[in-house]
Amino acid sequence: DAGVIQSPRHEVTEMGQEVTLRCKPISGHDYLFWYRQTMMRGLELLIYFNNNVPIDDSGMPEDRFSAKMPNASFSTLKIQPSEPRDSAVYFCASRQDRLKGEQFFGPGTRLTVL
Amino acid sequence: EDKVVQSPLSLVVHEGDTVTLNCSYEVTNFRSLLWYKQEKKAPTFLFMLTSSGIEKKSGRLSSILDKKELFSILNITATQTGDSAVYLCAVGSGGGADGLTFGKGTHLIIQP
Repeated sequence: DAGVIQSPRHEVTEMGQEVTLRCKPISGHDYLFWYRQTMMRGLELLIYFNNNVPIDDSGMPEDRFSAKMPNASFSTLKIQPSEPRDSAVYFCASRQDRLKGEQFFGPGTRLTVL
Repeated sequence: EDKVVQSPLSLVVHEGDTVTLNCSYEVTNFRSLLWYKQEKKAPTFLFMLTSSGIEKKSGRLSSILDKKELFSILNITATQTGDSAVYLCAVGSGGGADGLTFGKGTHLIIQP
């Protein structure tokens, strides 16, 4: 299995631009999670999906952030408009089901907003 | 609000030493505690603990959970330079919250 796949691996953009991050979970995994990691705040959960349905988006910082999962093999996290404080590494993770609790992380997208 | 605190924040030891990393937590509806290793990339899964007192072991790494005192430890024996990494502790809580709450991590440096 290829593991969780994320693209792009690096993104540099200017303040005000729209940014779209992409994730392909491990095949057969029912859960998909989006996390953000910064030096100040560590790893924080933004939103997660179960069977393509958003379950908890309480970690999404504000309305500029949105996430979708149109099918079991693809999810996007969009920031519009982006701001310098959004600079971070964004990780996608997937989990097989609730009984198998371990989450497997993708390589992350390093986002820099100038 | 769920809380996970790791200590120490950083640790420098020599190759061959044994280290113990600590994780304490305060969460509602505890479900599981997980340890991850993060080098300069994504966190990689080490252990998941759900029951008190049962040690999980993988090679030189082991971990145990104390649900009464709300903490876990991660032990690494005969450390090697390849063990240098940030070790993250995360807690999964129930009540519909399937996401993990992470601690800030322990930055472990193994000197040759």
